[in-house]
Amino acid sequence: TQLLEQSPQFLSIQEGENLTVYCNSSSVFSSLQWYRQEPGEGPVLLVTVVTGGEVKKLKRLTFQFGDARKDSSLHITAAQPGDTGLYLCAGENSGSRLTFGEGTQLTVNP
Amino acid sequence: DTEVTQTPKHLVMGMTNKKSLKCEQHMGHRAMYWYKQKAKKPPELMFVYSYEKLSINESVPSRFSPECPNSSLLNLHLHALQPEDSALYLCASSQRLAGGPTDTQYFGPGTRLTVL
Repeated sequence: TQLLEQSPQFLSIQEGENLTVYCNSSSVFSSLQWYRQEPGEGPVLLVTVVTGGEVKKLKRLTFQFGDARKDSSLHITAAQPGDTGLYLCAGENSGSRLTFGEGTQLTVNP
Repeated sequence: DTEVTQTPKHLVMGMTNKKSLKCEQHMGHRAMYWYKQKAKKPPELMFVYSYEKLSINESVPSRFSPECPNSSLLNLHLHALQPEDSALYLCASSQRLAGGPTDTQYFGPGTRLTVL
């Protein structure tokens, strides 16, 4: 069974602060997705990382895939209240199953 | 366009009712998925259809019955549900290219189901 440990589980910060969310596993994934989900809505894809060591930037969000493709991080610079939500990492391998982390509930206070 | 649509948005049903959830995608994706999600938890996989054939059933109770009428549509038929089945039901789709390195899943907005 593949596991993906995501931390922290909860994060409450002030507007303008920086933060990092981590996903770690002992398993290798062929790719890893990051999603953001608001209450009562479906997860929205933020990024897919595929290559070990890959870094992708999406405005104030920076995603990194570990060299060994076992871990990933999401860094948000100058967080804004609109960044509030549940952030999910999900590792993908062949066979259609995504291995989800437990999620990070981020609250950015104005 | 990476849109997956789901109807209805909300559904309230009694334990003796029969209802259906619907999902549609027009991205040409050949894999479609049903997930169940409880509050503040990650989605749990229920079923996977690949090229319109059921490829994965995660030991889901028979009161949930999936159907894939064609490559764009996915239904979930509900019968004799229990209150503990109340959850957000998510549909997703992916391209499912043979031999492709990745198979990113795109989620719909979900159906909030309440079983009384």
